Amino acid sequence: AQKVTQAQTEISVVEKEDVTLDCVYETRDTTYYLFWYKQPPSGELVFLIRRNSFDEQNEISGRYSWNFQKSTSSFNFTITASQVVDSAVYFCALSEANSGNTPLVFGKGTRLSVIA
Amino acid sequence: GAVVSQHPSRVICKSGTSVKIECRSLDFQATTMFWYRQFPKQSLMLMATSNEGSKATYEQGVEKDKFLINHASLTLSTLTVTSAHPEDSSFYICSARETPWTGIDTEAFFGQGTRLTVV
Repeated sequence: AQKVTQAQTEISVVEKEDVTLDCVYETRDTTYYLFWYKQPPSGELVFLIRRNSFDEQNEISGRYSWNFQKSTSSFNFTITASQVVDSAVYFCALSEANSGNTPLVFGKGTRLSVIA
Repeated sequence: GAVVSQHPSRVICKSGTSVKIECRSLDFQATTMFWYRQFPKQSLMLMATSNEGSKATYEQGVEKDKFLINHASLTLSTLTVTSAHPEDSSFYICSARETPWTGIDTEAFFGQGTRLTVV
């Protein structure tokens, strides 16, 4: 069975601090996808990144960076120099990669509050 | 990129009435769509998988007679909450995955969500 664990329920940081959101996953599949989404108060899910299981390269996009470590089954997300607009709930998710459509399995989310 | 449109974004209904939520894939065909439910301060939980032209597959604990799903075309799936009660108040969000020529699904697109309040 697939499972995503986001152990940090809530995190509060002061603006300009760096913050890392943890994500640990479980799957028996050798091919899978990992995702991060941002959910602001409006509720809409904002796509941040998708990574397939064969690509362990870390990725940087502006102030965002992701560290994918298959050895520890982790896909952590770091925001550098956090801003108030980063305040939201962040979800890590996992899906199989099959021919056919498969749903995402979400972690419980981490609520990030960035204080000015 | 591909877009999934969900309507309405917000609905308030009286207890005992039914509410229909639409989910459309705007520029791709989705043979499969997914319906999730999110209670306040909780995660997104898969309710059901909607299959075009066939019956939906429901997750354990989800009442299929209460949450009717119809996927009549390759671009539209609907979720009807029948005889809604206050405990059905939640955020409902649909999703579709675009399967490219490789046949392996990759992208996952989400609708804007529907906030249902039953009074």
